[in-house]
Amino acid sequence: NAGVTQTPKFRVLKTGQSMTLLCAQDMNHEYMYWYRQDPGMGLRLIHYSVGEGTTAKGEVPDGYNVSRLKKQNFLLGLESAAPSQTSVYFCASSYSVLALYEQYFGPGTRLTVT
Amino acid sequence: AQKITQTQPGMFVQEKEAVTLDCTYDTSDQSYGLFWYKQPSSGEMIFLIYQGSYDEQNATEGRYSLNFQKARKSANLVISASQLGDSAMYFCAMRDRYQLIWGAGTKLIIKP
Repeated sequence: NAGVTQTPKFRVLKTGQSMTLLCAQDMNHEYMYWYRQDPGMGLRLIHYSVGEGTTAKGEVPDGYNVSRLKKQNFLLGLESAAPSQTSVYFCASSYSVLALYEQYFGPGTRLTVT
Repeated sequence: AQKITQTQPGMFVQEKEAVTLDCTYDTSDQSYGLFWYKQPSSGEMIFLIYQGSYDEQNATEGRYSLNFQKARKSANLVISASQLGDSAMYFCAMRDRYQLIWGAGTKLIIKP
């Protein structure tokens, strides 16, 4: 049982390049999330999904797109990377949105945009 | 809007001492959940403990306990008998429908 995995772990992009981050979970969770963590700050929600084929915007969605074609996968895309998107990106999943269910996190992807 | 405040950017604690990490929150909801996560230097987010707003007793998980004072809107994490491995960033978070609202974190360093 791998839990939540993220690919890649590290990436360096030049301004204007595009890339896709892959998140996979094997816990059959309905809900998946993408967060970013900047230095000295907590996590901020980028996009989330409440089930296969559905996505919604979080707190900081600009410059990102997502897709959830399969229940176990949640993809985060950067179409034209900017230095402001240098951050650590975390994917998470949860069984329910009821308050008592915690979110399980992947190991994170460290992205640097030069 | 919901908000989490952690007022201690960093703390140094002697090994084996107890430590309290502060967290205050702001919400107009009657039903809510509060979480604490640990982030070691390796970067992963580790769930520690959960407290529901209707839970009458403070949550405990091994050496972790949550000092929940609803009227004061505080949910402090208490770590008993601290260990060197407790050195990490600690985040308080609150459920807001689909997302977790996060505090800025407290960096805890345990001194031998």
